[in-house]
Amino acid sequence: SAVISQKPSRDICQRGTSLTIQCQVDSQVTMMFWYRQQPGQSLTLIATANQGSEATYESGFVIDKFPISRPNLTFSTLTVSNMSPEDSSIYLCSVEDPREGGSTDTQYFGPGTRLTVL
Amino acid sequence: EDKVVQSPLSLVVHEGDTVTLNCSYEVTNFRSLLWYKQEKKAPTFLFMLTSSGIEKKSGRLSSILDKKELSSILNITATQTGDSAIYLCAASGFNKFYFGSGTKLNVKP
Repeated sequence: SAVISQKPSRDICQRGTSLTIQCQVDSQVTMMFWYRQQPGQSLTLIATANQGSEATYESGFVIDKFPISRPNLTFSTLTVSNMSPEDSSIYLCSVEDPREGGSTDTQYFGPGTRLTVL
Repeated sequence: EDKVVQSPLSLVVHEGDTVTLNCSYEVTNFRSLLWYKQEKKAPTFLFMLTSSGIEKKSGRLSSILDKKELSSILNITATQTGDSAIYLCAASGFNKFYFGSGTKLNVKP
């Protein structure tokens, strides 16, 4: 499976500020995904990030609030803008199986970023 | 509306017990069913199932998919305290994954 790293692993931020989360993969992948997991909840897909095109956002998520960059096939960033306490969550990036011949139906997750907004 | 439903929501057992976790799905253009274990932040991959009736096994864990019933089960035999975690089920559709709310398993010594 791919080795995925995320930075920062955790942060405590003030209301109204923005935080950019980085996701780095050790191999080239076509599709990267950003999820949010609020306390006690399951994973909710924020957007799909494809290299060379705009991210595709899920219902309830907008680019102004969660801008995403995907400059190459191994890296992506998610920014949480103008934060409020409701944005306190774990943010996870994931990638599909990058192995040649590997199934694109399997996702592997980064270690996550735990965000607390005061 | 596409959805994945897991049951039970939580479960408390003692070491050595066998548990069965359930997952049902309604997903357009269904492709595969995945199970993950989440202990801290990141879910770790357990199984991917695409064919009905074929059991996948890894140590004390096994899983099977029933496409007719749109469901899957995850079995854990001889449970250990290290099995305590949230178990997530996900169904993949067209370029998208749908996650259930998870089953929180607590294995007591």
